[in-house]
Amino acid sequence: SYVLTQPPSVSVAPGKTARIICGGNNIRSKSVHWYQQKPGQAPVLVVYDASDRPSGIPERFSGSNSGNPATLTISRVEAGDEADYYCQVWDSSNVVFGGGTKLTVL
Amino acid sequence: QVTLKESGPVLVKPTEILTLTCTVSGFSLSNARMGVSWIRQPPGKALEWLAYIFSNDEKSYSTSLKRRLTISKDTSKRQVVLTMTNMDPVDTATYYCARMGALGGYYYVMDVWGQGTTVTVSS
Repeated sequence: SYVLTQPPSVSVAPGKTARIICGGNNIRSKSVHWYQQKPGQAPVLVVYDASDRPSGIPERFSGSNSGNPATLTISRVEAGDEADYYCQVWDSSNVVFGGGTKLTVL
Repeated sequence: QVTLKESGPVLVKPTEILTLTCTVSGFSLSNARMGVSWIRQPPGKALEWLAYIFSNDEKSYSTSLKRRLTISKDTSKRQVVLTMTNMDPVDTATYYCARMGALGGYYYVMDVWGQGTTVTVSS
């Protein structure tokens, strides 16, 4: 079965840029989606198909999938961005999530 | 406004069957290529996808849990139901349902999630 690999944690200072990676076999050929989950809340879709944003998501959130790994980039990081971030793809009729990355804002 | 709401028992005993219901509003389960997925999250752990169903009755199940899961929908009631057999304490988790298929041609992405319902498996 397909596996997505994320680093357990990433730390960044406020105002800086955070990059969260998501690795998988030939991930470049897949549509990668990213979710943000704050403590005690349901996940929220922040980026889909690698680089598109749903309405209401700030432009500070962007993504790319031009190679392995796929990347979620958060510019001008704010304290409110502290959360767990999950990447997700669809493979062989299965939805697959990465293990999640905890973003800490220093 | 699109919403999804999970409902079901808070506590189940080992070996029992869990039945969860997702009631949707703001969209129709009969819309072309509209679907609902179930996802769970054990305390302190990552998201785990369980199953999805689309308006055309396309279904899929997690490979590791396939033998224990059944997903169905009742379009008129606006509900998607997930049953999981032979519950075990390791199945203790928050269970979410989420909408799929609403973002253009990207069917397998979940754009709106329910608040989740917590299920504890214990005797």
